[in-house]
Formats: sequence, C-alpha cells, structure tokens
Amino acid sequence: NAGVMQNPRHLVRRRGQEARLRCSPMKGHSHVYWYRQLPEEGLKFMVYLQKENIIDESGMPKERFSAEFPKEGPSILRIQQVVRGDSAAYFCASSPLAGYTDTQYFGPGTRLTVL
Amino acid sequence: AQSVTQLDSQVPVFEEAPVELRCNYSSSVSVYLFWYVQYPNQGLQLLLKYLSGSTLVKGINGFEAEFNKSQTSFHLRKPSVHISDTAEYFCAVSHLQGGSEKLVFGKGTKLTVNP
Repeated sequence: NAGVMQNPRHLVRRRGQEARLRCSPMKGHSHVYWYRQLPEEGLKFMVYLQKENIIDESGMPKERFSAEFPKEGPSILRIQQVVRGDSAAYFCASSPLAGYTDTQYFGPGTRLTVL
Repeated sequence: AQSVTQLDSQVPVFEEAPVELRCNYSSSVSVYLFWYVQYPNQGLQLLLKYLSGSTLVKGINGFEAEFNKSQTSFHLRKPSVHISDTAEYFCAVSHLQGGSEKLVFGKGTKLTVNP
C-alpha cells in the first residue's frame, strides 16, 4: 500500500508565477489536510478537504491560495502570483475517516522556493 | 484555542544516553496527543499517540511518552538513543473545530545524537 504521494518534491518559481502542488492520499483515504512549514517553525494547518468538498479552510491565506480535491485525481494546492514569503515546505496528510482519533499520514512534502 | 509548547528547540546528547523531549499543551477540552518525527528532507512519521486509557504510551523505535493531565504535559522519552535518532521531533494535539480534526503542532525540537 503506497503512502501519501506528493509532487513535485521541489518546485522553484519566480515572483508572480503560479505554483501547483499535488497530493495523492493513501488508498482508501478520503480526507486530505494541507499544512505549511516555514523555516524554523512547526507545521501550520491550512485546509481540510473531503472529496469535492472543502470542510475547513480557516488556515488558508485570504488571497492567492486555493485548494481542491476532485472526485477523480489528486488534491491540488494552488498558489497564484507567488511571493518570496510563500517559500516553505508544504505537506499533505490523509486519513481514512473523519474522527480525530485517526492518524494523519503525511507525505514527503513539496519544498517551494520563490526567487 | 489550543496551543503546544516545546520547551527546548535543540537537544544534544551522546549516543546511548537517555533523553527527554518536553511538550506542554493548553486546552479547555479533552485532547488527543501525538509525537511525530521528521528526518531531514522527509515528511512526518508518527511515533506514538495518546487517545485514552493508560497514560504511558509506547511507540516505535523504543520511544515512549507519558500523559500528565494535571501538568498538561506529554513528554517524550527514550532510555538509550542511537545516532539514527538524530531528527526533529514535533508534539501535536488534535483540535476539533467545525468538523475539522486539524493538528496543532509545536515548533519542534531538534535532537542531535553525537558519538
């Protein structure tokens, strides 16, 4: 059973470009979480999605950031018009159920560098 | 709101020595507690979790943690560390709000095991 897959692992963008980060949850998992890790910081929650639904986006910046988890295919975190402050590691986690006793399984992350 | 404090940002120890990584949390409701480990340039791996029952929780790689409700602590311990334990360790609590089981992380403790 493959783990959580994220791609690309490293992404370099210039200021003003768009960044698309993809996350494929573990097989059988229908809940996806996105977290951001800034340098020297812990992970901060961004958004929680189920198939075709955004359940909680309270951690998402109000502008430029969006996320989706379509019926088919991976979850996508999209950052428009990137700025240097967006440079961070972005982690996706998945879980099988919606209970908070369930373990969230993390992917290897996408490290975004904005030049 | 819930928060997690990891009191030590860096902990250097010698191989085969015991180690304790400290974690305190604040919450107005019952919590579920987790320790994750992050090796360089990798994602997070679950070490152990406390949901209920026995306050002493055993995890992978010889780690254990003790939940202390009166002191709101969940310190991680290992009686004898190896070079391979060098990594960053994150304490986290589940935060249930609005149907979302987001994790709230501490800032992490970098454990360095020296020969």
